[in-house]
Amino acid sequence: QQQVKQSPQSLIVQKGGISIINCAYENTAFDYFPWYQQFPGKGPALLIAIRPDVSEKKEGRFTISFNKSAKQFSLHIMDSQPGDSATYFCAASITGRRALTFGSGTRLQVQP
Amino acid sequence: NAGVTQTPKFRILKIGQSMTLQCAQDMNHNYMYWYRQDPGMGLKLIYYSVGAGITDKGEVPNGYNVSRSTTEDFPLRLELAAPSQTSVYFCASSSQGATPRYEQYFGPGTRLTVT
Repeated sequence: QQQVKQSPQSLIVQKGGISIINCAYENTAFDYFPWYQQFPGKGPALLIAIRPDVSEKKEGRFTISFNKSAKQFSLHIMDSQPGDSATYFCAASITGRRALTFGSGTRLQVQP
Repeated sequence: NAGVTQTPKFRILKIGQSMTLQCAQDMNHNYMYWYRQDPGMGLKLIYYSVGAGITDKGEVPNGYNVSRSTTEDFPLRLELAAPSQTSVYFCASSSQGATPRYEQYFGPGTRLTVT
């Protein structure tokens, strides 16, 4: 049973465009929603995270939008750059448990 | 700090062989985790530990064992390797502290092939 569903599986965006990746979760006990970025041959690294008490969080060109009632959250990458080309994973966890449940990943390619 | 280190980077096993994947962290983190990543899939939790001497099963623990005798080390043991265990294995750690990000720090991974 997949508790965090992620889409699309792959995404091609032109340089300067907006990349949007969506995730939906089922477990209403989740209360922490991070996004991880993974480059080929590397382990994932935390990009940005949000808690359900806010609807949006922005860090530089990266923004998480969160819709608690719909149980959905999304990552927006503004002014996408070729260096952003990577695989992005959404995840969710329950405070106190710490272990993450990951989405299936989105492979982003930003074309110059 | 070296962060989270994993050895080996690559390994090929024959069906039925056993091996131990090593993981160490030098950040004095209490929490440590093992994940596997299959092609085109997200990471799935195998086992985790909240401190030395304490371990618990994750989503996909069958065919694996762990131990945590020190804060720094969290080895993953594969017994009787099967082709279904072909995957990339990631070790991660996180702090018990009150950082709001609860960031997990990942190692570079071990690519395992069972033939």
